Amino acid sequence: AQTVTQSQPEMSVQEAETVTLSCTYDTSESDYYLFWYKQPPSRQMILVIRQEAYKQQNATENRFSVNFQKAAKSFSLKISDSQLGDAAMYFCAYRSALNRDDKIIFGKGTRLHILP
Amino acid sequence: NAGVTQTPKFRVLKTGQSMTLLCAQDMNHEYMYWYRQDPGMGLRLIHYSVGEGTTAKGEVPDGYNVSRLKKQNFLLGLESAAPSQTSVYFCASSNRDRLTLNTEAFFGQGTRLTVV
Repeated sequence: AQTVTQSQPEMSVQEAETVTLSCTYDTSESDYYLFWYKQPPSRQMILVIRQEAYKQQNATENRFSVNFQKAAKSFSLKISDSQLGDAAMYFCAYRSALNRDDKIIFGKGTRLHILP
Repeated sequence: NAGVTQTPKFRVLKTGQSMTLLCAQDMNHEYMYWYRQDPGMGLRLIHYSVGEGTTAKGEVPDGYNVSRLKKQNFLLGLESAAPSQTSVYFCASSNRDRLTLNTEAFFGQGTRLTVV
């Protein structure tokens, strides 16, 4: 069974600085999708960025980028120029691209604090 | 565009009472999911469905039942509520379309359930 591990329950970063959130996963599959979601205090789940395992190029979305290391099964999220609005819970998630009977598995989350 | 709508948003139940949470999506998604979110535990999958008329157990299915009689609706039932089921419940839906990159889950706004 696939698992997703986020080893940092909480992190803090100074406004305008860069922070990296860690995520590792365990799977025997070769084709899958990885996601980072943001959950602000409003509780709404918002997709930040996605990565397809067959693509070697790391995904980027404005200030958000990932470091995808397939062999190491690592998928970290880098937030550049941190802003107060980035304060939220961040979840890493995994989804198989091969198995129709699939499910989306989430890690336990990392709470990110932005220090003014 | 409503997306994923959960009903109700808040509910307080007494131990032993039953209730049904309704999830409706208007995006014609095949996949639907029910998660519960508890502090320090992330999002845990309760049940999911890969298409109309199908359901499958997730990580924490005990005490819950589900039905997917219509493609757009996914119901989560608690037959005899227990205090351990106090949580925030999220419904999500998705497709899996590599061509359009439509692979992520779209979430409802959550239901906060308290069992006393």
